[in-house]
Amino acid sequence: EDKVVQSPLSLVVHEGDTVTLNCSYEVTNFRSLLWYKQEKKAPTFLFMLTSSGIEKKSGRLSSILDKKELFSILNITATQTGDSAIYLCAVNNNDMRFGAGTRLTVKP
Amino acid sequence: GAVVSQHPSWVICKSGTSVKIECRSLDFQATTMFWYRQFPKQSLMLMATSNEGSKATYEQGVEKDKFLINHASLTLSTLTVTSAHPEDSSFYICSASPPGAGSYNEQFFGPGTRLTVL
Repeated sequence: EDKVVQSPLSLVVHEGDTVTLNCSYEVTNFRSLLWYKQEKKAPTFLFMLTSSGIEKKSGRLSSILDKKELFSILNITATQTGDSAIYLCAVNNNDMRFGAGTRLTVKP
Repeated sequence: GAVVSQHPSWVICKSGTSVKIECRSLDFQATTMFWYRQFPKQSLMLMATSNEGSKATYEQGVEKDKFLINHASLTLSTLTVTSAHPEDSSFYICSASPPGAGSYNEQFFGPGTRLTVL
């Protein structure tokens, strides 16, 4: 059965810290991996990764995919309180499977 | 802990039929559950907020009679797509919030359900 596992489930850091969120998957017919940020009414799309080893970057956020080891990481550097949210990972394989999310809390 | 399941994972149905999707919180009680629908370009849209024991709150533009939501217990919410049509084909995802959760960023997401209407 296809599955997407995110870790940690919850994370509390202080402003300025760097965090790494993990997403591992076991799916057939992998097409892409997506990261979302959920803080308001609906998750906001962050990145889509299709190739191994190519880092995607947007400001303080970056993400990379390892298709051999079947995981992706989302890095956030110099965290701010506004980064507090749930970060969702999803895998597209002719279908979609979401992880449960990592709840990040950034304290002042 | 904090596992949310959805059933079925995928469903194919004929146009005009109704389809029920279940969302369960497996190891915690969820007073509030949310239903989302995925649109092109990866965006997820909140459809409705489901509160145990009361009527769901639908977002603007979501047809209440089309998408029936029932949150009959603290661990189960169901979304029924009535008289489904091909344009209802989409990926539906639910999430659940434990009691006392006060914001949208205190949810646990289910894996999703792919609906295909022929």
